[in-house]
Amino acid sequence: GAGVSQSPSNKVTEKGKDVELRCDPISGHTALYWYRQRLGQGLEFLIYFQGNSAPDKSGLPSDRFSAERTGESVSTLTIQRTQQEDSAVYLCASRPRLETGELFFGEGSRLTVL
Amino acid sequence: GESVGLHLPTLSVQEGDNSIINCAYSNSASDYFIWYKQESGKGPQFIIDIRSNMDKRQGQRVTVLLNKTVKHLSLQIAATQPGDSAVYFCAENHSGYSTLTFGKGTMLLVSP
Repeated sequence: GAGVSQSPSNKVTEKGKDVELRCDPISGHTALYWYRQRLGQGLEFLIYFQGNSAPDKSGLPSDRFSAERTGESVSTLTIQRTQQEDSAVYLCASRPRLETGELFFGEGSRLTVL
Repeated sequence: GESVGLHLPTLSVQEGDNSIINCAYSNSASDYFIWYKQESGKGPQFIIDIRSNMDKRQGQRVTVLLNKTVKHLSLQIAATQPGDSAVYFCAENHSGYSTLTFGKGTMLLVSP
């Protein structure tokens, strides 16, 4: 597609359940990022993928969070045993090449944990 | 620690006014800066960027100023319109580090 696509756009789940969020980056973009945005807050870096290199997981807040990416395509962010503090918008972004700073963001997946 | 922060959480202006949104950064190694606009319910959208070898860059109705001496960045919007109402984020990174670090954001409210 023309832009970064994320699904679902909204997800409501019960505390303790696992959730999966999906990101389709712009075709040809080698770098992919996940950020978390709590209500009224800035963007918090979670994880970064660049081609076939080992991902930078330094932003993942706990071992309940994990992400995968197959080659330079789709990525999934998984949150296990969700907690209420996981409620946020999860934003995915992609970038065509490392030296270009601009990130292209999707619309985000809004997660609500009851 | 290293951070990017904003002076004004909310800025209210009248339509037609010029708006200035400020951002302070603390990492002296930062050499690339971006301003993003985020409308309600949407992802951040690129506005303008600037590298540290410049102190000013102009786009359409927007100008970014960089003062490396005091580690300050500003976004100027000329003739602000109601459609400019959004949250504006500055972000920075530095060579060799792939991740953009974002500030907390400033809400711009434009009254007709």
